[in-house]
Amino acid sequence: QQQVKQSPQSLIVQKGGISIINCAYENTAFDYFPWYQQFPGKGPALLIAIRPDVSEKKEGRFTISFNKSAKQFSLHIMDSQPGDSATYFCAASRGHNFNKFYFGSGTKLNVKP
Amino acid sequence: GAGVSQSPSNKVTEKGKDVELRCDPISGHTALYWYRQSLGQGLEFLIYFQGNSAPDKSGLPSDRFSAERTGGSVSTLTIQRTQQEDSAVYLCASSLEGGRSTEAFFGQGTRLTVV
Repeated sequence: QQQVKQSPQSLIVQKGGISIINCAYENTAFDYFPWYQQFPGKGPALLIAIRPDVSEKKEGRFTISFNKSAKQFSLHIMDSQPGDSATYFCAASRGHNFNKFYFGSGTKLNVKP
Repeated sequence: GAGVSQSPSNKVTEKGKDVELRCDPISGHTALYWYRQSLGQGLEFLIYFQGNSAPDKSGLPSDRFSAERTGGSVSTLTIQRTQQEDSAVYLCASSLEGGRSTEAFFGQGTRLTVV
């Protein structure tokens, strides 16, 4: 049973547009929700993360929106750039196993120039 | 210093053979994780080492998979009697500790192909 569900599988956005990726989780014990960015041939790298005590976190052009009651969270990339083209993974973890993640299946983002 | 280093970068092996994948974590990091990334899939947790504690092996898919961490540093993931479904990218990550507020850094992975 997949504990974190991610959509869409792929996304094409024009340069300057907004990219939105959504995730949903089942386990209410999850208390840490990161987003990872992965370029081809590289390992994933932490992009931004949120805890359930806030509804939104913004870092530059990247924003996480978190809806605890709906058990959903999303990544918004404002003013998307071709350099943002990568695969994005949402994840969740709980308690002391901070980096033992349950990952979504990934979204391949292509930002057209 | 250097990031998480994994070797080999690529490994092609015949079905039924054993393989060993190596991970060198960032110096000083006490927590080490192995994940598997199958084609078109998300990352799947395999095993977690934290200091001298017993490892969390809950993600290992079968008894053909095992891992060890020697001296609290280098880790080796061993897959015995490889099967085609073992083909995937195996990723290692390390963090200062397993607790809160410690970011995990991933290596670039070992791409395993079983033919």
